[in-house]
Amino acid sequence: EVQLVESGGDLVQPGGSLRLSCTGSGFTFSNYEMNWVRQAPGKGLEWLSYINHSGRTIFYADSVKGRFTISRDNAKSSLYLQMDSLRAEDTAVYYCARDPIHCTGDSCYSGSFDNWGQGTLVTVSS
Amino acid sequence: DIQMTQSPSILSAFVGDRVTITCRASQSISTWFAWYQQKAGKAPKLLISQASNLESGVPSRFSGSGSGTEFTLTISSLQPDDFATYYCQQYQSYPYTFGQGTKLEIK
Repeated sequence: EVQLVESGGDLVQPGGSLRLSCTGSGFTFSNYEMNWVRQAPGKGLEWLSYINHSGRTIFYADSVKGRFTISRDNAKSSLYLQMDSLRAEDTAVYYCARDPIHCTGDSCYSGSFDNWGQGTLVTVSS
Repeated sequence: DIQMTQSPSILSAFVGDRVTITCRASQSISTWFAWYQQKAGKAPKLLISQASNLESGVPSRFSGSGSGTEFTLTISSLQPDDFATYYCQQYQSYPYTFGQGTKLEIK
């Protein structure tokens, strides 16, 4: 069974830092691209960051660029999100999401998230 | 950034009804498009990818259509388990973006 388990969420003061982890099991983690998505209380989904299977290609949303860093350790089947300079508006449930690559002939694509973790709550408040 | 606009924001319906949710993209995204279902306190669940490909295990009463800028999610006969919030997503280009959500309520 595919499982993604996030951890690391906590209460942190504005300007502080936090590192989230997401551990995958039940699949070959190194074969998959991964993403972080968050959801503020009572709000919709916001995509934050993408990392390809090797870790060499990374993208960020403008709202977190320069403050958040995505990384992965395939040997540990783990995805990370280092969050610095946290703001009140970063308060949200943070999800990791698996992003499978689909190939048809010579054409491959990704971008739909077929498995999600249960989420971890980050609260930024003094 | 590509903006995704869902309508309606709230939809009230009876069990057994046929319902349609619409999502419009601010520019053409071909079929780089997905639908998700989210229940309260739970993670989103992928229902449909590539605008019309039903994910394994998703009931056949769900269907998706569209390309370019307009997409629809149809539930042919609502079941009690379908009352949830639905989100659309484009993955034509980064930053990936979601619609604001459609809350499907029991009438």
